Amino acid sequence: DTEVTQTPKHLVMGMTNKKSLKCEQHMGHRAMYWYKQKAKKPPELMFVYSYEKLSINESVPSRFSPECPNSSLLNLHLHALQPEDSALYLCASSRDSTNQPQHFGDGTRLSIL
Amino acid sequence: AQSVAQPEDQVNVAEGNPLTVKCTYSVSGNPYLFWYVQYPNRGLQFLLKYITGDNLVKGSYGFEAEFNKSQTSFHLKKPSALVSDSALYFCAVNTPSNTGKLIFGQGTTLQVKP
Repeated sequence: DTEVTQTPKHLVMGMTNKKSLKCEQHMGHRAMYWYKQKAKKPPELMFVYSYEKLSINESVPSRFSPECPNSSLLNLHLHALQPEDSALYLCASSRDSTNQPQHFGDGTRLSIL
Repeated sequence: AQSVAQPEDQVNVAEGNPLTVKCTYSVSGNPYLFWYVQYPNRGLQFLLKYITGDNLVKGSYGFEAEFNKSQTSFHLKKPSALVSDSALYFCAVNTPSNTGKLIFGQGTTLQVKP
């Protein structure tokens, strides 16, 4: 079992749908991350929240919209996605310094029809 | 620019033999180095890290890694491989000036055969 919980595990959506991915951690971590991962490739960083404020946006298209309602929760709102956005979306958390390991959830596998 | 290289796409070893998964890095400043493992349909699991101190770092599941500053390497090792070690392994680097942004290698698939 991982300490970072992601829901749903699988999501299929059309290009006009709106959906949200959710991530939760109760380790008291103050940094949270969204990654996109294609099969057999390394994760690609999308967003970083530090103390509930967005600190890094890796030039992600606006059809992806992150939200951090509190220190335990992280959402990724999806709208008008493209087929190339189909991937595994991973959430991670860490303590608030760069030398702390990131703890990953098991991801949401997203398929865009 | 910071980078991490894992020169082998796949490593094959027989169960019970020692294994090595290679990683080299290029950073400005002191590196923070990490190894992660990913099993099918799972997220990444943290194995071990080097921040400072002893060059030989011990981690989870009997894995260890040796930091070599002169060769800018951080190879992952295990004395005796298990079939259950078969997975995708990622080396990653961060630096004090690069808050929160891990740079990953391309990954190495480890196949351990009985």
